[in-house]
Amino acid sequence: EDKVVQSPLSLVVHEGDTVTLNCSYEVTNFRSLLWYKQEKKAPTFLFMLTSSGIEKKSGRLSSILDKKELFSILNITATQTGDSAIYLCAGANYGGSQGNLIFGKGTKLSVKP
Amino acid sequence: NAGVTQTPKFQVLKTGQSMTLQCAQDMNHNSMYWYRQDPGMGLRLIYYSASEGTTDKGEVPNGYNVSRLNKREFSLRLESAAPSQTSVYFCATLPVSDTQYFGPGTRLTVL
Repeated sequence: EDKVVQSPLSLVVHEGDTVTLNCSYEVTNFRSLLWYKQEKKAPTFLFMLTSSGIEKKSGRLSSILDKKELFSILNITATQTGDSAIYLCAGANYGGSQGNLIFGKGTKLSVKP
Repeated sequence: NAGVTQTPKFQVLKTGQSMTLQCAQDMNHNSMYWYRQDPGMGLRLIYYSASEGTTDKGEVPNGYNVSRLNKREFSLRLESAAPSQTSVYFCATLPVSDTQYFGPGTRLTVL
């Protein structure tokens, strides 16, 4: 059975801290790993990773994939209160519908001023 | 360009009532999805549609039916609502690039 496991489930930090969120996956016919940020409404896309060892960056956020060890990390440096959200990780496979996504349960990040 | 839209945004039903959640997209994407999100459970796939006229079950299809009558619209129907179906429902599309676009969600409460 395909699964995606995120850790920690919740995290409280102070502004300025650096955080690392973890995502391990077991996905049949794996295609890519995606990260999303979910505040009060729908998830918004952050990164898609398909190749091992290539870091993707967007401002203070970065992410990398290890296809040998089957995990990904999401780093946030110099955290701000606006980074408070649930961060979702999902594995995409080559399903019959051009690909399905298997989501982890998310990491709830709280950034205190 | 509205992206993915869902109606209604909120709904309260009594056990046994039926309703249809509507989803529409204007991005010309082939694949559309319905998820439910419950506290501590993440996003779980209910049904998906690879293209107009085709639908397939996801992880948690029981108690739901779907309809993909055209490329734009994908509806989710609860024939006889149960309290266990209280959840937030998201519709999404998935273009080839894997960047999945979500609708704003429908918060459903079944009493």
